[in-house]
Amino acid sequence: DQQVKQNSPSLSVQEGRISILNCDYTNSMFDYFLWYKKYPAEGPTFLISISSIKDKNEDGRFTVFLNKSAKHLSLHIVPSQPGDSAVYFCAASAGNDYKLSFGAGTTVTVRA
Amino acid sequence: DVKVTQSSRYLVKRTGEKVFLECVQDMDHENMFWYRQDPGLGLRLIYFSYDVKMKEKGDIPEGYSVSREKKERFSLILESASTNQTSMYLCASMEANYGYTFGSGTRLTVV
Repeated sequence: DQQVKQNSPSLSVQEGRISILNCDYTNSMFDYFLWYKKYPAEGPTFLISISSIKDKNEDGRFTVFLNKSAKHLSLHIVPSQPGDSAVYFCAASAGNDYKLSFGAGTTVTVRA
Repeated sequence: DVKVTQSSRYLVKRTGEKVFLECVQDMDHENMFWYRQDPGLGLRLIYFSYDVKMKEKGDIPEGYSVSREKKERFSLILESASTNQTSMYLCASMEANYGYTFGSGTRLTVV
């Protein structure tokens, strides 16, 4: 049973607008969350992360929000650019465990 | 920059063949991982290793084994390939800061 869920398989957004990607998790032991971006025929690359002691982390156009009570996190991309078209994976880990649990991914398409 | 190299980008193998997927990292990382990526399922952990000659099962180890004889190399072995092992295989390494670095992946097709 997947402990990290991305319920939207795809998202289409116009260039310049905001992209919002959502992620839910079931394991209350998760305390570190990451977003990865993947282009076709390439490995995933790290985008942004957040620890459970925070509720927001920002890096340039990318912001991740964490709602621990709802076991929900979201990634905001503002403004969206054509190069943001990719698959985005949400991932989580617990304590000192180095293993990551991944969601199914959301394919983002940014329209010109 | 850490580099993780997977020896093959594309492989086509026959059912029943023994298949070796090789992964090499150049930053002396202790931790290495093998995932497979399938549509709608995301990345699922097959095996991982925290040190040389050490291996641990992930979430879907059935039909796979691994070898880590040297720190920089982590091999995934399909003992007898089956069509349901057709997938994208991703190797990753990391140090203790939760920074995974992935290889480019191997697209394996079993016919």
